[in-house]
Amino acid sequence: AQKVTQAQTEISVVEKEDVTLDCVYETRDTTYYLFWYKQPPSGELVFLIRRNSFDEQNEISGRYSWNFQKSTSSFNFTITASQVVDSAVYFCALASGGYNKLIFGAGTRLAVHP
Amino acid sequence: GAVVSQHPSWVICKSGTSVKIECRSLDFQATTMFWYRQFPKQSLMLMATSNEGSKATYEQGVEKDKFLINHASLTLSTLTVTSAHPEDSSFYICSASYVTQDYGYTFGSGTRLTVV
Repeated sequence: AQKVTQAQTEISVVEKEDVTLDCVYETRDTTYYLFWYKQPPSGELVFLIRRNSFDEQNEISGRYSWNFQKSTSSFNFTITASQVVDSAVYFCALASGGYNKLIFGAGTRLAVHP
Repeated sequence: GAVVSQHPSWVICKSGTSVKIECRSLDFQATTMFWYRQFPKQSLMLMATSNEGSKATYEQGVEKDKFLINHASLTLSTLTVTSAHPEDSSFYICSASYVTQDYGYTFGSGTRLTVV
């Protein structure tokens, strides 16, 4: 069975703080893809990153970074020096077995205050 | 590339009527499309997976006679909410998988349905 767990329902930080959003996944497949999406109040999903199961390299993109650890089945997302514009709901998602349905975690609502 | 256009962006309908939501892939052929529903402050829940030219596969608990999905072409999939009730009010999002240099999913902008 596939499952994505985002244990943090809501996080509130003050601007310029660093924040890490946790994601733990479950799958029996050896080939799978992990994603992070941002959903601002408008509702549209904004793609942030995709990782396949064979690429465990961490990635940094500006203030965003991702830590993928197969040993703990985790794919955590860190925002450095958070900004008010980062306020949104962030979803971690999993697709396994190739060209298959995308399963979402419950989401983490991030509020960044000035 | 890999853009999906979803219409309408919002719709209000009377209880008992039907509403059709369209998703079009603009620059690629969407062999497989997915339909999600999102209630306020909740996650995206997969409703069904549709493959072009065949019947949709519905997730457990989703009424296939109520949520009619048609994927008659490689560029168009529709979701019709039949005999809508207030509890069907939700945010509906379509998605298509694509394969170019990578593998990924592209999402429509969503349709906010309110049934009064």
